[in-house]
Amino acid sequence: DAGITQSPRHKVTETGTPVTLRCHQTENHRYMYWYRQDPGHGLRLIHYSYGVKDTDKGEVSDGYSVSRSKTEDFLLTLESATSSQTSVYFCATTGDTEAFFGQGTRLTVV
Amino acid sequence: RKEVEQDPGPFNVPEGATVAFNCTYSNSASQSFFWYRQDCRKEPKLLMSVYSSGNEDGRFTAQLNRASQYISLLIRDSKLSDSATYLCVVNTPGGYNKLIFGAGTRLAVHP
Repeated sequence: DAGITQSPRHKVTETGTPVTLRCHQTENHRYMYWYRQDPGHGLRLIHYSYGVKDTDKGEVSDGYSVSRSKTEDFLLTLESATSSQTSVYFCATTGDTEAFFGQGTRLTVV
Repeated sequence: RKEVEQDPGPFNVPEGATVAFNCTYSNSASQSFFWYRQDCRKEPKLLMSVYSSGNEDGRFTAQLNRASQYISLLIRDSKLSDSATYLCVVNTPGGYNKLIFGAGTRLAVHP
């Protein structure tokens, strides 16, 4: 399996607080992605990165920002968490074609 | 219209059955196609890539119809262990390797 680590794996936070999720890869893959998964919606792309400091929005980017200062790290920040952002978040990377996923972060906003 | 659409399921089938999943995509310039499998509360994992000529891996067969913008996955001789959600994935063009997932089709194989 590809070396992709997400942290934290579980988090409970209060509405209005900032939250940062981290994705770390050891594969030197160029592309990295953040998805959220909710019942009935499958995986929806939040943001993705095609290189260091090169990022772009996905289909559900409102309320989220990302940063990629190193090839191996891709951070997802919820500027002010809301209950609608309660979800499971997956990070993924690709080399040429196949995508590899981290184990997911279960975030609950109360 | 969603970029990638799948049969929502769930598909409930007995062991040994043959089951087929369908997926359509909206961007005719899409270049790469995949089926992923996701078990409950786990991360998705690649099941197989889908090639223009069609491809087979044991009991699994994937087909691509570019003219109709349609992808299929056929599972023969279903096993209990095939129970999972199957995700259709399309790589959108533009040079940034953006992967778009369908919502998934849930399969439940029963004895």
